[in-house]
Amino acid sequence: EPEVTQTPSHQVTQMGQEVILRCVPISNHLYFYWYRQILGQKVEFLVSFYNNEISEKSEIFDDQFSVERPDGSNFTLKIRSTKLEDSAMYFCASSEVNYGYTFGSGTRLTVV
Amino acid sequence: GENVEQHPSTLSVQEGDSAVIKCTYSDSASNYFPWYKQELGKRPQLIIDIRSNVGEKKDQRIAVTLNKTAKHFSLHITETQPEDSAVYFCAASKGGNNRLAFGKGNQVVVIP
Repeated sequence: EPEVTQTPSHQVTQMGQEVILRCVPISNHLYFYWYRQILGQKVEFLVSFYNNEISEKSEIFDDQFSVERPDGSNFTLKIRSTKLEDSAMYFCASSEVNYGYTFGSGTRLTVV
Repeated sequence: GENVEQHPSTLSVQEGDSAVIKCTYSDSASNYFPWYKQELGKRPQLIIDIRSNVGEKKDQRIAVTLNKTAKHFSLHITETQPEDSAVYFCAASKGGNNRLAFGKGNQVVVIP
């Protein structure tokens, strides 16, 4: 069964540092997403991406965040200057046209 | 935006009994309602979904019902087993690959 792959599985970074979280979506999927989940809380939408541009973003996705699809396979989330409150599990997801999300296994980001 | 509420927050059931989790949503334009199961430290996994053109869907021991008028949908698990123990999240979307709005999750504990 096709999978969404995320790397690294765990990232520890110092406050103020930049981090890049990487994702390889399922190859025939056209829509890509980033969600985050603070420990013990619900999953929150960050951004969706289609046709090489952001299609929707939440209020969480401020100027510190950016996404990119640098080549035909990777989809990245960059946080420019991390804050303590950015500590969370970040999930990438992809989908075909109309529904059917598949989530990756997540990257646990710890900001110290 | 869409607001999804999930009840109860925790649910303990005896093995073999049924479990029911209910979610309400606020946006009448939402038309896609998936349920995700998340085991500790793992990715959310889609277990069943329903679209607004049907009222009920069943897959073996799992069923989902939708009441569009009342704007609520429920997950039903019959003949519960210990491996059903997990956090279950409901979500709602306007479809067309729009964002998913998640509920806060429900911890289900199946007691052997």
